[in-house]
Amino acid sequence: DVKVTQSSRYLVKRTGEKVFLECVQDMDHENMFWYRQDPGLGLRLIYFSYDVKMKEKGDIPEGYSVSREKKERFSLILESASTNQTSMYLCASSPNGGDTDTQYFGPGTRLTVL
Amino acid sequence: AQSVAQPEDQVNVAEGNPLTVKCTYSVSGNPYLFWYVQYPNRGLQFLLKYITGDNLVKGSYGFEAEFNKSQTSFHLKKPSALVSDSALYFCAVRDIGGSNYQLIWGAGTKLIIKP
Repeated sequence: DVKVTQSSRYLVKRTGEKVFLECVQDMDHENMFWYRQDPGLGLRLIYFSYDVKMKEKGDIPEGYSVSREKKERFSLILESASTNQTSMYLCASSPNGGDTDTQYFGPGTRLTVL
Repeated sequence: AQSVAQPEDQVNVAEGNPLTVKCTYSVSGNPYLFWYVQYPNRGLQFLLKYITGDNLVKGSYGFEAEFNKSQTSFHLKKPSALVSDSALYFCAVRDIGGSNYQLIWGAGTKLIIKP
């Protein structure tokens, strides 16, 4: 089974702090994604990566950056956390090839910025 | 612009009754369509997808979905609901004629199955 893990289930940070959210997948998937999930808005794509050191902006990249130094790990960075970044953050991965559109999700990190 | 609509924020169904969770989409080309489920305190799980072929797609946990091109819909169905089906359901679409492979997600529908 594909396993996607996220470094924390719950995180509380203060405004202005730098925040790192880590995601690791164990199935050698090429593609990795960071979403935020807010009630009534569904999932919104922040960034995705289709290869090591490659990244593309999603729909809401402002205030975020990402890093992918190794294939299995995709990090989301909030350079200076703000209260409007309080949300549930979901990481996902998918393979290239025939099953590329099936995304496998981690359990999520609920971030609260005070 | 591509979009996905889930017109109901919440659907309430009695256990044992059939359930339907609605999804309509708008893409410029042919769609790939997906349903995912999020159980309380758990990550999203893939349920089923339509790529091509038979319009009725069967997935996990007894769920199925029907692709209707003329109505641009992909409604999720189950003949007999279980209390354990209570969860948040998301519809998603990708335009296979598009330039990237991002999924566009609906806002989600909360399904509540009452004993």
